Amino acid sequence: QVQLVQSGAGMRKPGASVKVSCKASGYTFGAYYMHWVRQAPGQGLEWMGEINPTSGSTSYAQNFQGRITVTRDTSTSIVYMELSSLRFEDTAIYYCARVVGPGAPGLGFWGQGTLVTVSS
Amino acid sequence: IQLTQSPSFLSASVGDRVTITCRASQGIRNSLAWYQGKPGKAPKLLIYGASSLPSGVPSRFSGSGSGTDFTLTISSLQPEDFATYYCQQLDTYPLTFGGGTKVELK
Repeated sequence: QVQLVQSGAGMRKPGASVKVSCKASGYTFGAYYMHWVRQAPGQGLEWMGEINPTSGSTSYAQNFQGRITVTRDTSTSIVYMELSSLRFEDTAIYYCARVVGPGAPGLGFWGQGTLVTVSS
Repeated sequence: IQLTQSPSFLSASVGDRVTITCRASQGIRNSLAWYQGKPGKAPKLLIYGASSLPSGVPSRFSGSGSGTDFTLTISSLQPEDFATYYCQQLDTYPLTFGGGTKVELK
């Protein structure tokens, strides 16, 4: 079965960086793009970016351009999302997610979420 | 592409028929998904491709629409359905979510 398992919660100071991992299993890693979505406390969902695991090409939301880097390791089926120059408002739960199937527009598989707290 | 959900809040009772709308600022064909969000849980996909139901999602959930106007309908609200619902467009980068509709117990 498809599983996306994320790294544990972390706390960072403003200006620091955080790197969250997402290990995929139960399917062919390169077959589906991996997306990153976040949810700040009391706020809605925000799409951050995605990576093509086969080619490594990425697409990022404008809000995060210059601060976000998504990479992958095909040997371990892990996708990483690094966010730099952290601000207090980056405190959120970060999720990796995959579409439900080929040609099926909808994120049907999600990691358990990683809480990142930015605090001085 | 901006997605505008309405209403933002909705009070309803168990058994009610509930309809939530999502309007896109430009056409997105049928590349729209609906999610259910609950505190402390990852969002759950309810509808993909505007009207397709993923395996395991109860049939009381349905979606319709194409182009710019979309609808999520819950035919008979159940106690476990009190949650926040989000639409998302997957047609054009950057992908975007609607602001959410919170369904509360009347």
